[in-house]
Amino acid sequence: DAKTTQPPSMDCAEGRAANLPCNHSTISGNEYVYWYRQIHSQGPQYIIHGLKNNETNEMASLIITEDRKSSTLILPHATLRDTAVYYCIAQNSGGSNYKLTFGKGTLLTVNP
Amino acid sequence: DAGITQSPRHKVTETGTPVTLRCHQTENHRYMYWYRQDPGHGLRLIHYSYGVKDTDKGEVSDGYSVSRSKTEDFLLTLESATSSQTSVYFCAISGGPRAFFGQGTRLTVV
Repeated sequence: DAKTTQPPSMDCAEGRAANLPCNHSTISGNEYVYWYRQIHSQGPQYIIHGLKNNETNEMASLIITEDRKSSTLILPHATLRDTAVYYCIAQNSGGSNYKLTFGKGTLLTVNP
Repeated sequence: DAGITQSPRHKVTETGTPVTLRCHQTENHRYMYWYRQDPGHGLRLIHYSYGVKDTDKGEVSDGYSVSRSKTEDFLLTLESATSSQTSVYFCAISGGPRAFFGQGTRLTVV
């Protein structure tokens, strides 16, 4: 599994877009980029995942660079409830391996 | 939300006693996982299962055993609890690339 690097913390103003970066320079061609978040004391929650195309769902957008060495998770209009630790994971989801390897993540604090 | 329930949610036990945590799912997903989360270490995989009676070790499996006799239940057992096993334990399920996590069990070994 490719190693990912994220800033330990970020701040964002409520109502503004939150852009969370992730570096995965050693990602291989069959590894997907996943984003999960963990709100204090709760279990992690899936946000989005992608291989090489940009993805959007009701929660967020995922922008993956053309060389796939980095990605950005975008929360378009952050709210106070988006304060959480955000995990970027690069993992092969093929075959039988759906195990997730979590790093330290980014603590996003949304301020009023 | 996916149907996944952990029990108990909180437990205090004494060193040396056996403890079993239960994860129950109603989604009929093939894969089930047990993680532990500790300050400074993040989430670490203990054991996982890829079907009934099919289990394998994760990165921190020492001192833990698991069993899966039914699709819906995945049990984590601490044969003889130690203080180093004080942690928050999360169960997860997946039927594909998206995993769903339970609310966690806070275990304290005194």
